[in-house]
Amino acid sequence: EAGVVQSPRYKIIEKKQPVAFWCNPISGHNTLYWYRQNLGQGPELLIRYENEEAVDDSQLPKDRFSAERLKGVDSTLKIQPAELGDSAVYLCASREFSYNEQFFGPGTRLTVL
Amino acid sequence: AQSVTQLDSHVSVSEGTPVLLRCNYSSSYSPSLFWYVQHPNKGLQLLLKYTSAATLVKGINGFEAEFKKSETSFHLTKPSAHMSDAAEYFCVVSDEYGGATNKLIFGTGTLLAVQP
Repeated sequence: EAGVVQSPRYKIIEKKQPVAFWCNPISGHNTLYWYRQNLGQGPELLIRYENEEAVDDSQLPKDRFSAERLKGVDSTLKIQPAELGDSAVYLCASREFSYNEQFFGPGTRLTVL
Repeated sequence: AQSVTQLDSHVSVSEGTPVLLRCNYSSSYSPSLFWYVQHPNKGLQLLLKYTSAATLVKGINGFEAEFKKSETSFHLTKPSAHMSDAAEYFCVVSDEYGGATNKLIFGTGTLLAVQP
């Protein structure tokens, strides 16, 4: 069974440019999470989806960040415009409703110059 | 609010010697606790989890952790380190009563180095 897939794995952009990250969760997992991991820190939750509904986006900086999960499967996280402080690894995770474990993708490492 | 504190940012051991990675938690109710491992350029992998069953939890690759409520600790141990154990380890608490992993709260991580 394939794990959580994320692309791209690496992205380098200049500040003020837009950027988007894509996540394909494990098949059948209806809960999807986006985390941000700053250098030397643990991941922090940005947003959680139950199917296509964002049920916890309290930590998402809504002035520049947006996310969608239109059909309740794949998800996209966007930053527009990017700032230097957005440099981090963006992790996607998914969970099957009845199972108490989140499965993580390899992440996208974003560098903003 | 839930939180975890990892007491060591770096731990270095020799191959074949025991590993101890320390974690203390804060929780207003009986928590669900996890240890995750992150190898370079790879995703986070669950090592083990505690969800109010046995206090001594066995995980993958020979790791285990003991939940001690009186000490609010959940330290990770392994009897004999292997070179492949070199990675970053995260102690994690779930913020949902009953153990549903709706929001995981991560510690700052402990980087384990294994010397030959």
